[in-house]
Amino acid sequence: DAKTTQPTSMDCAEGRAANLPCNHSTISGNEYVYWYRQIHSQGPQYIIHGLKNNETNEMASLIITEDRKSSTLILPHATLRDTAVYYCIVKGTGNNRKLIWGLGTSLAVNP
Amino acid sequence: GAVVSQHPSRVICKSGTSVKIECRSLDFQATTMFWYRQFPKQSLMLMATSNEGSKATYEQGVEKDKFLINHASLTLSTLTVTSAHPEDSSFYICSAPPVGREASDTQYFGPGTRLTVL
Repeated sequence: DAKTTQPTSMDCAEGRAANLPCNHSTISGNEYVYWYRQIHSQGPQYIIHGLKNNETNEMASLIITEDRKSSTLILPHATLRDTAVYYCIVKGTGNNRKLIWGLGTSLAVNP
Repeated sequence: GAVVSQHPSRVICKSGTSVKIECRSLDFQATTMFWYRQFPKQSLMLMATSNEGSKATYEQGVEKDKFLINHASLTLSTLTVTSAHPEDSSFYICSAPPVGREASDTQYFGPGTRLTVL
């Protein structure tokens, strides 16, 4: 599975949009981009995933570049409860369903 | 939907004792469950893959005789830390992808179990 690169930390003002980037330049054609987040001392929470089209759900939007080498997770109106570590994971489908976790981006939403 | 529970949420034990952690999928079935360990300020590290009705698959460097995994049904997997030592103190998390959703591979995580070995 392809490796991802994310900034170590980011800050965002409450109420503003939080844009979290992820580079995955070695992604292959059948690999999805997944985003999870982990609030302190809790289990990770699934946010969103996509293959090549932009995706939106009730939590966030995922923008994937046309060459699929990078993506951005957008939290449109960040709240204090969005403070967490955000993980971008690239993974193919199939029987090997393991997720390989990097260090993610620690997002601090400030009042 | 897609809720995963873990029990206990927190456990403190003496060195040398064994501790069992349960992972349950409450509203879906899972033929596979994953067990992770997370040390402070570090990322999740996959320990093993639990397979319903068959033996677990362990990651390199994880002792299968120390971390016993049993996936007895489509909704329950257990991790037993045998002869626990202080270095086994960690945050243990399980996850499960629902049966029938293999194409998306979305996984749902339990809330984690904080193990402290004195």
